[in-house]
Amino acid sequence: QSALTQPPSASGSPGQSVAISCSGTSSDIGRSNYVSWYQQHPGKAPKLIIYEVTERPSGVPDRFSASKSGNTASLTVSGLQAEDEADYYCCAHTGSTNTYVFGTGTKVTVL
Amino acid sequence: EVQLLQSGGGLLQPGGSLRLSCATSGFPFNAYTIHWVRQAPGKGLEWVSTIGPQNYYEIYYADSVKGRFTISRDNSKNTVFLQMSSLRADDTAVYYCAKDHGHYDKDVWGQGTTVTVS
Repeated sequence: QSALTQPPSASGSPGQSVAISCSGTSSDIGRSNYVSWYQQHPGKAPKLIIYEVTERPSGVPDRFSASKSGNTASLTVSGLQAEDEADYYCCAHTGSTNTYVFGTGTKVTVL
Repeated sequence: EVQLLQSGGGLLQPGGSLRLSCATSGFPFNAYTIHWVRQAPGKGLEWVSTIGPQNYYEIYYADSVKGRFTISRDNSKNTVFLQMSSLRADDTAVYYCAKDHGHYDKDVWGQGTTVTVS
Protein backbone atom coordinates (compact mmCIF):
# COMPACT_ATOMS: atom_id res chain seq x y z
CA GLN A 1 0.00 0.00 0.00
CA SER A 2 2.53 2.62 -1.08
CA ALA A 3 1.16 6.14 -1.41
CA LEU A 4 0.40 7.48 -4.86
CA THR A 5 2.92 10.07 -6.01
CA GLN A 6 1.93 13.72 -6.39
CA PRO A 7 4.11 16.79 -6.84
CA PRO A 8 4.60 18.53 -3.49
CA SER A 9 3.55 21.90 -4.83
CA ALA A 10 1.94 23.71 -7.74
CA SER A 11 1.11 27.35 -8.29
CA GLY A 12 -0.56 29.76 -10.64
CA SER A 13 -1.85 33.29 -10.84
CA PRO A 14 -5.54 34.11 -10.52
CA GLY A 15 -7.36 33.12 -13.70
CA GLN A 16 -4.68 30.69 -14.78
CA SER A 17 -4.85 26.89 -14.74
CA VAL A 18 -2.88 24.43 -12.69
CA ALA A 19 -2.62 20.69 -13.26
CA ILE A 20 -1.75 18.11 -10.60
CA SER A 21 -0.62 14.61 -11.44
CA CYS A 22 -1.18 11.48 -9.37
CA SER A 23 1.05 8.58 -10.32
CA GLY A 24 0.37 5.02 -9.30
CA THR A 25 0.79 1.53 -10.66
CA SER A 26 -1.13 -1.00 -12.67
CA SER A 27 -2.37 -2.41 -9.36
CA ASP A 28 -4.11 0.76 -8.23
CA ILE A 29 -4.79 3.68 -10.57
CA GLY A 30 -4.15 1.62 -13.67
CA ARG A 31 -6.99 -0.77 -12.95
CA SER A 32 -9.34 1.43 -10.92
CA ASN A 33 -12.44 3.24 -12.13
CA TYR A 34 -12.70 4.73 -8.65
CA VAL A 35 -10.18 7.54 -8.43
CA SER A 36 -11.28 10.49 -6.31
CA TRP A 37 -9.81 13.88 -5.47
CA TYR A 38 -10.07 15.89 -2.26
CA GLN A 39 -9.43 19.51 -1.38
CA GLN A 40 -8.28 20.34 2.13
CA HIS A 41 -7.90 23.81 3.59
CA PRO A 42 -5.67 24.23 6.66
CA GLY A 43 -7.28 22.92 9.81
CA LYS A 44 -10.33 21.66 7.95
CA ALA A 45 -11.66 18.27 6.94
CA PRO A 46 -11.10 17.23 3.32
CA LYS A 47 -13.79 17.89 0.73
CA LEU A 48 -14.66 15.59 -2.16
CA ILE A 49 -14.25 17.38 -5.50
CA ILE A 50 -13.98 14.52 -8.00
CA TYR A 51 -15.22 10.92 -7.90
CA GLU A 52 -15.12 8.02 -10.35
CA VAL A 53 -12.11 9.57 -12.15
CA THR A 54 -13.97 12.45 -13.83
CA GLU A 55 -17.25 13.14 -12.05
CA ARG A 56 -17.96 16.27 -10.01
CA PRO A 57 -20.30 16.16 -7.01
CA SER A 58 -23.16 18.61 -6.94
CA GLY A 59 -21.96 22.05 -5.93
CA VAL A 60 -18.36 21.66 -7.09
CA PRO A 61 -17.55 24.29 -9.74
CA ASP A 62 -16.83 23.08 -13.26
CA ARG A 63 -13.44 24.78 -12.96
CA PHE A 64 -12.38 21.46 -11.45
CA SER A 65 -11.86 18.67 -13.97
CA ALA A 66 -9.98 15.40 -13.94
CA SER A 67 -8.85 12.56 -16.14
CA LYS A 68 -6.84 9.35 -16.14
CA SER A 69 -4.38 7.83 -18.55
CA GLY A 70 -2.71 4.55 -17.79
CA ASN A 71 -1.31 4.61 -14.26
CA THR A 72 -1.62 8.39 -13.84
CA ALA A 73 -4.61 10.49 -12.86
CA SER A 74 -4.70 14.25 -13.21
CA LEU A 75 -6.67 17.12 -11.71
CA THR A 76 -6.91 20.49 -13.43
CA VAL A 77 -8.10 23.64 -11.74
CA SER A 78 -8.98 26.27 -14.31
CA GLY A 79 -9.61 29.93 -13.69
CA LEU A 80 -7.73 29.84 -10.40
CA GLN A 81 -9.31 31.73 -7.55
CA ALA A 82 -7.89 32.69 -4.18
CA GLU A 83 -10.10 30.14 -2.42
CA ASP A 84 -8.54 27.33 -4.47
CA GLU A 85 -5.37 27.67 -2.42
CA ALA A 86 -5.35 24.40 -0.50
CA ASP A 87 -3.89 20.91 -0.35
CA TYR A 88 -5.17 18.41 -2.90
CA TYR A 89 -5.13 14.62 -2.55
CA CYS A 90 -5.93 11.87 -4.99
CA CYS A 91 -7.21 8.51 -3.82
CA ALA A 92 -7.66 5.20 -5.58
CA HIS A 93 -9.77 2.21 -4.63
CA THR A 94 -8.03 -1.08 -5.30
CA GLY A 95 -10.72 -3.58 -6.15
CA SER A 96 -8.58 -6.67 -5.78
CA THR A 97 -7.98 -6.00 -2.07
CA ASN A 98 -10.83 -3.57 -1.36
CA THR A 99 -8.38 -1.09 0.10
CA TYR A 100 -7.68 2.55 -0.62
CA VAL A 101 -4.48 4.45 -1.21
CA PHE A 102 -4.11 8.22 -1.03
CA GLY A 103 -1.65 10.39 -2.87
CA THR A 104 1.14 12.24 -1.11
CA GLY A 105 -0.68 15.54 -1.51
CA THR A 106 -0.05 18.72 -3.48
CA LYS A 107 -0.10 22.21 -2.03
CA VAL A 108 -1.59 24.65 -4.53
CA THR A 109 -0.60 28.27 -4.12
CA VAL A 110 -2.43 31.10 -5.85
CA LEU A 111 0.18 33.74 -6.54
CA GLU B 1 -28.41 17.74 6.44
CA VAL B 2 -25.90 14.91 6.51
CA GLN B 3 -23.69 15.14 9.59
CA LEU B 4 -20.93 13.04 11.14
CA LEU B 5 -20.04 13.98 14.71
CA GLN B 6 -16.89 12.47 16.14
CA SER B 7 -15.82 11.91 19.72
CA GLY B 8 -13.32 9.92 21.74
CA GLY B 9 -9.89 11.32 20.99
CA GLY B 10 -7.25 11.97 23.61
CA LEU B 11 -3.71 11.65 24.93
CA LEU B 12 -2.45 8.25 25.95
CA GLN B 13 0.71 6.24 26.43
CA PRO B 14 2.15 3.71 24.00
CA GLY B 15 0.44 0.36 24.31
CA GLY B 16 -2.83 1.92 25.37
CA SER B 17 -6.31 1.59 23.93
CA LEU B 18 -8.94 4.06 22.82
CA ARG B 19 -12.32 3.95 21.12
CA LEU B 20 -13.39 6.58 18.63
CA SER B 21 -17.06 7.18 17.82
CA CYS B 22 -18.69 8.65 14.73
CA ALA B 23 -22.37 9.48 15.24
CA THR B 24 -24.24 10.14 12.03
CA SER B 25 -27.52 11.76 11.01
CA GLY B 26 -29.37 12.96 7.94
CA PHE B 27 -29.10 9.86 5.76
CA PRO B 28 -30.16 6.19 5.81
CA PHE B 29 -27.23 4.92 7.86
CA ASN B 30 -27.94 1.25 7.17
CA ALA B 31 -27.38 1.78 3.45
CA TYR B 32 -23.93 3.37 3.45
CA THR B 33 -20.31 2.36 3.86
CA ILE B 34 -18.27 4.36 6.38
CA HIS B 35 -14.50 4.95 6.34
CA TRP B 36 -11.87 6.03 8.81
CA VAL B 37 -9.00 8.16 7.51
CA ARG B 38 -6.16 9.67 9.53
CA GLN B 39 -3.67 12.46 9.10
CA ALA B 40 -0.47 12.61 11.11
CA PRO B 41 0.75 16.10 12.08
CA GLY B 42 1.98 17.90 8.99
CA LYS B 43 1.48 14.81 6.84
CA GLY B 44 -0.92 13.56 4.21
CA LEU B 45 -4.10 11.52 4.41
CA GLU B 46 -3.94 7.80 5.15
CA TRP B 47 -6.85 5.41 4.76
CA VAL B 48 -7.34 3.34 7.93
CA SER B 49 -10.45 1.17 7.69
CA THR B 50 -13.81 0.67 6.00
CA ILE B 51 -17.05 -1.00 7.04
CA GLY B 52 -19.83 -1.84 4.61
CA PRO B 53 -23.57 -1.23 5.14
CA GLN B 54 -25.85 -3.53 7.06
CA ASN B 55 -26.68 -6.02 4.37
CA TYR B 56 -23.25 -6.02 2.78
CA TYR B 57 -21.14 -6.42 5.87
CA GLU B 58 -17.57 -6.04 4.74
CA ILE B 59 -14.64 -4.83 6.79
CA TYR B 60 -11.19 -3.83 5.56
CA TYR B 61 -8.04 -2.47 7.21
CA ALA B 62 -4.81 -0.85 6.18
CA ASP B 63 -1.81 -3.07 6.82
CA SER B 64 -0.49 -0.48 9.30
CA VAL B 65 -3.41 -1.09 11.70
CA LYS B 66 -4.46 -4.65 10.93
CA GLY B 67 -4.64 -6.75 14.08
CA ARG B 68 -4.62 -3.67 16.32
CA PHE B 69 -7.69 -1.69 15.24
CA THR B 70 -11.29 -2.93 15.02
CA ILE B 71 -14.05 -1.14 13.15
CA SER B 72 -17.70 -1.77 14.00
CA ARG B 73 -21.11 -0.18 13.61
CA ASP B 74 -24.29 0.02 15.65
CA ASN B 75 -27.11 0.48 13.18
CA SER B 76 -29.60 1.13 16.00
CA LYS B 77 -27.56 4.20 17.00
CA ASN B 78 -26.38 5.27 13.53
CA THR B 79 -22.84 5.17 14.88
CA VAL B 80 -19.52 3.72 13.74
CA PHE B 81 -16.68 2.93 16.12
CA LEU B 82 -12.95 2.49 15.78
CA GLN B 83 -11.45 0.50 18.64
CA MET B 84 -7.71 1.10 18.73
CA SER B 85 -5.33 -0.99 20.81
CA SER B 86 -1.57 -1.50 21.14
CA LEU B 87 -1.23 2.13 20.17
CA ARG B 88 2.13 3.41 19.00
CA ALA B 89 3.63 6.84 18.60
CA ASP B 90 3.11 6.67 14.84
CA ASP B 91 -0.64 6.32 15.38
CA THR B 92 -0.63 9.96 16.49
CA ALA B 93 -2.96 11.74 14.08
CA VAL B 94 -6.24 13.49 13.49
CA TYR B 95 -8.74 10.73 12.76
CA TYR B 96 -11.66 11.43 10.44
CA CYS B 97 -14.71 9.33 9.75
CA ALA B 98 -16.27 9.77 6.34
CA LYS B 99 -19.40 8.57 4.59
CA ASP B 100 -19.06 6.79 1.28
CA HIS B 101 -20.79 8.44 -1.66
CA GLY B 102 -21.66 5.06 -3.12
CA HIS B 103 -18.76 5.33 -5.54
CA TYR B 104 -15.85 4.13 -3.39
CA ASP B 105 -15.19 7.67 -2.21
CA LYS B 106 -15.82 9.87 0.81
CA ASP B 107 -18.34 12.66 0.32
CA VAL B 108 -19.09 13.83 3.86
CA TRP B 109 -16.49 13.98 6.60
CA GLY B 110 -16.58 14.32 10.35
CA GLN B 111 -14.84 17.19 12.06
CA GLY B 112 -11.87 15.04 13.05
CA THR B 113 -10.64 13.98 16.46
CA THR B 114 -7.06 14.08 17.68
CA VAL B 115 -5.29 11.03 19.04
CA THR B 116 -1.87 11.60 20.60
CA VAL B 117 0.27 8.66 21.69
CA SER B 118 3.22 9.78 23.78
